[in-house]
This record gives sequence, structure tokens and C-alpha cells, in this order.
Amino acid sequence: DTGVSQNPRHKITKRGQNVTFRCDPISEHNRLYWYRQTLGQGPEFLTYFQNEAQLEKSRLLSDRFSAERPKGSFSTLEIQRTEQGDSAMYLCASSLLNRDDYGYTFGSGTRLTVV
Amino acid sequence: QQQVKQSPQSLIVQKGGIPIINCAYENTAFDYFPWYQQFPGKGPALLIAIRPDVSEKKEGRFTISFNKSAKQFSLHIMDSQPGDSATYFCAARRAGTYKYIFGTGTRLKVLA
Repeated sequence: DTGVSQNPRHKITKRGQNVTFRCDPISEHNRLYWYRQTLGQGPEFLTYFQNEAQLEKSRLLSDRFSAERPKGSFSTLEIQRTEQGDSAMYLCASSLLNRDDYGYTFGSGTRLTVV
Repeated sequence: QQQVKQSPQSLIVQKGGIPIINCAYENTAFDYFPWYQQFPGKGPALLIAIRPDVSEKKEGRFTISFNKSAKQFSLHIMDSQPGDSATYFCAARRAGTYKYIFGTGTRLKVLA
């Protein structure tokens, strides 16, 4: 386990369908983050977990979005009733408590296309 | 609202040149300023970072210059190589939080 793993890498879905993405962080990292990146923009914060507790959610995370991190290990991000505006790269990152100066380690992301 | 402004949007330099990417921030409560490098199809990777009590930091060919009074910081890439061609993002972290505000990115192309 040398990095943050995200699956699937790409997802194409029809508007109105539900999608779920998975993130496996670096095993000893207890912090996990979800960011969204649209074309030509920097990543935008969505939510943050410390172990299994979801400690912060952005206003970007509407009621259609839900994230979980059962047992403080992997995390899932679900989008219900997808809209075309949800098309983006969804990035997961992890870090170690008290080692913030090392920054995040990002995964390669899941690219979502809503048609 | 955009709290970290990054420029230029794109940059082309010859191999061996020194591209400079600039960022300006508005919030004085930021306490950590990293730069990330992103290749197509990959997530951003941490390149170098600085705290506001330091005016300059060097790691290999990468240097951050930080001007606290002007609320600006910049990335310099010495002896740039074609392999440095990527998108670069500056970011800032609010003190006491774990989330970053990213700039809009600079697409760098280094010509061989």
C-alpha cells in the first residue's frame, strides 16, 4: 500500500442515477478528505473525516451527497439523483494526525461524467 | 469566492528557463502555503510548502518566495525540464483547520 487508491477511475452515468465512489487511504493515515475538481479549476473542499467521524462538510455538499468512513478505513462518496453539474473529478486525499506539514497525499481521482 | 488568486493561467518556457508562478491571498488567517504539481489523469502531488514566518524555501530546483506584507507567494523552478510540464496549484490553509483553498492552476509547458 503505497498510495491513496480510488475506484472507479472513470464513471459515466445518466442524469438521475445514483453513483458511489470508493477511496482507500494510506493505511496509517487517520484523516481523509474529499475534494471536487472541475475542468480548469483547483480542487474544492467537500468533506473531512478524522477516523470514522465526519468533522466538516462544505456547503458544496448538497443533500444529494453523502460520505461515510465506516471503521475509519476506506471511505465512500455517494451522489444521488446525479445532475450534469456534478460532472467533475472527485479527489480523495489522506494525511496523518499531527503531520500536516507533509500535506495531503491525493489519489488519482474518479472522473464522473453525467450525460 | 476566490481567496487565492493565481497567475498566469498558462506559461511556456524553453528548457533551462526559470518559470515563475505567482499567488496572492486575502485572508491573513492562513498559516500554511503548499504548492502542488498535477499531471494529466493524476491527483495533485505536494511539491514544496512554506509557513508565513519564512521568506524563502528551497527544495532541489523548486523555490518558494513569500512576502507576508504583500500577501503574495511565488514558485520558481530552476533549470526547468520538459518533465516539469504539468499544472501547478498554489494553496493556502486556514489556521486551525485541515482544508486548503486552491488557486485556479497554472499550466506550464517546458519546450525541449
